[in-house]
Amino acid sequence: NAGVTQTPKFQVLKTGQSMTLQCAQDMNHEYMSWYRQDPGMGLRLIHYSVGAGITDQGEVPNGYNVSRSTTEDFPLRLLSAAPSQTSVYFCASRRKTGGTDTQYFGPGTRLTVL
Amino acid sequence: AQKITQTQPGMFVQEKEAVTLDCTYDTSDPSYGLFWYKQPSSGEMIFLIYQGSYDQQNATEGRYSLNFQKARKSANLVISASQLGDSAMYFCAMWVTGGFKTIFGAGTRLFVKA
Repeated sequence: NAGVTQTPKFQVLKTGQSMTLQCAQDMNHEYMSWYRQDPGMGLRLIHYSVGAGITDQGEVPNGYNVSRSTTEDFPLRLLSAAPSQTSVYFCASRRKTGGTDTQYFGPGTRLTVL
Repeated sequence: AQKITQTQPGMFVQEKEAVTLDCTYDTSDPSYGLFWYKQPSSGEMIFLIYQGSYDQQNATEGRYSLNFQKARKSANLVISASQLGDSAMYFCAMWVTGGFKTIFGAGTRLFVKA
């Protein structure tokens, strides 16, 4: 049981390049989310999914696309990277069983856009 | 609009003493959940504790307890018997809008002194 995995751990892009951040979970969680964390700040929600085939926008969706073709995978695509997208990106999955609600995070991807 | 406020940017505590980290929230939804996460210098997000809005008792997980005062809309984290390894950023978070979106506070940095 690996939990939530993210690849790559580090990435440097040039302005205008595109790339996909990978996220996978093996806990059969329905809910998955992408967040970004800028220096000295909390996490802000980019996109989220409540199940395979269902996605929606969070607080800061511009410049990012997501898809959820399987329960396990939730990739985040940067369409045309900009320096303002330099951040640490966290993927999370969430279980809700009975009265308990637990959200687990991946280790993060540190992205720098030059 | 939903909001999480953490008013303490930084806190110091002596090793083995208890410390309370403040969190207030704002929502008009009667059904919500509150989380606390720890982020050490290594960067990962570690789930600590969860409190549902309908839970009658305060949540506890080992040395962590959540002091939930619903009328005051506060969800303070209490860490008993602080350890040096507790030095980290701590984030309060809340899920809203049917439970799909989670919003985070700005965080409190805790320093544990030997």
